[in-house]
Amino acid sequence: DAGITQSPRYKITETGRQVTLMCHQTWSHSYMFWYRQDLGHGLRLIYYSAAADITDKGEVPDGYVVSRSKTENFPLTLESATRSQTSVYFCASSELRRETQYFGPGTRLLVL
Amino acid sequence: SQQGEEDPQALSIQEGENATMNCSYKTSINNLQWYRQNSGRGLVHLILIRSNEREKHSGRLRVTLDTSKKSSSLLITASRAADTASYFCATDGETSGSRLTFGEGTQLTVNP
Repeated sequence: DAGITQSPRYKITETGRQVTLMCHQTWSHSYMFWYRQDLGHGLRLIYYSAAADITDKGEVPDGYVVSRSKTENFPLTLESATRSQTSVYFCASSELRRETQYFGPGTRLLVL
Repeated sequence: SQQGEEDPQALSIQEGENATMNCSYKTSINNLQWYRQNSGRGLVHLILIRSNEREKHSGRLRVTLDTSKKSSSLLITASRAADTASYFCATDGETSGSRLTFGEGTQLTVNP
């Protein structure tokens, strides 16, 4: 089914481990975004991408790495997970700059 | 700090009543968007209003924008239990590049 998907939906990991969250969209949207959502902080932008091979930092990029070799995929990697990275992560895509964003269902990550 | 801030943080009403949520922001914008998030789900785009527009309607939703006061309101008329969700405003900000900045949201509860 067309849309934007995230995997895994739930993940439990341990401090220090590397974790990769996947995001895939079928619309060929140029823009893709990674957010984290925490109580008391709302939705915060981690990284975004304007096109394949173009990425830029958002508000809270430390501890995260992204890549975008294909338009449809935008994986987010936690290089060495910390407890403070326990959160719900949302991927989003947008066809036009600063316009409507379409969100995935989220990944709930628990770092022990 | 967040560009957009919603008010109130939480709102509880009876079915059939109207619900009004407000959003204030700090810098000039090109457009302002409202999103809904049902519990445990991703955000869903509701409506986008541009800086040269003052009011916009979509079904039971009415959005107003006052750029002189840097504020917007979302009115949901004849609310239903299914409207129970968190509502977020998002602003682009003229210097924000390709990003949107989300507020912390208003939690709306519509009691049957």
